[in-house]
Amino acid sequence: EVQLVESGGGLVKPGSSLKLSCVASGFTFSSYGMHWIRQAPKKGLEWIALIYYDSSNKYYADSVKGRFTISRDNSKNTLYLEMNSLRSEDTAMYYCAKYYGLLLPDYWGQGVMVTVSS
Amino acid sequence: DIMMTQSPLSVAVTPGESASISCRSSKSLLHSNGITYLSWYLQRPEKSPQLLIYQISNLASGVSGRFSGSGSGTDFTLKISRVETEDVGIYYCVQFLEVPLTFGSGTKLEIK
Repeated sequence: EVQLVESGGGLVKPGSSLKLSCVASGFTFSSYGMHWIRQAPKKGLEWIALIYYDSSNKYYADSVKGRFTISRDNSKNTLYLEMNSLRSEDTAMYYCAKYYGLLLPDYWGQGVMVTVSS
Repeated sequence: DIMMTQSPLSVAVTPGESASISCRSSKSLLHSNGITYLSWYLQRPEKSPQLLIYQISNLASGVSGRFSGSGSGTDFTLKISRVETEDVGIYYCVQFLEVPLTFGSGTKLEIK
């Protein structure tokens, strides 16, 4: 059974940093690309980053470029999102999702909440 | 960025009736490889999004045959036949032709 379990969220102050993790199981993690997608409270879905299966390419939404870094450790079946210079508008549920070949996120984790507030 | 426009914002349906949701993209989602990069998700209350349909009309694994997708180019439709209470939630279309992936704003389906 495919499982994606996010962790590392919490309440932080504006300007601070946070690192999210997503542990994968039930599939060959090293063969799949991965996304981070977020959803602000009562809002829609916003794609923020993706990484190829072998980390050879990474892409970011303009809203997080230069502040967030996506990475992965295939030996640990884990995806990361390092978030710096956090702003109130980064408050959201953060989901990791996998894809194979085409960029379509086909399975999502349950999400982790990040709240940025003073 | 490709803009995705969904309508209606919300729809209330009597169980057993049908519902249709429209999604329009600002650019054709048909790639030269013949694949149209448009899919649909359902986000049930307090849950993460679940893939319903990929590439316009293909049902994802385990998805009920009451869901169907159609369309081409820039105009797409999700139809839910014989609506059930378990279909309640927000439906999103997404384009994955290019980065950034972009989602429609969502259509909330409620039961009358």
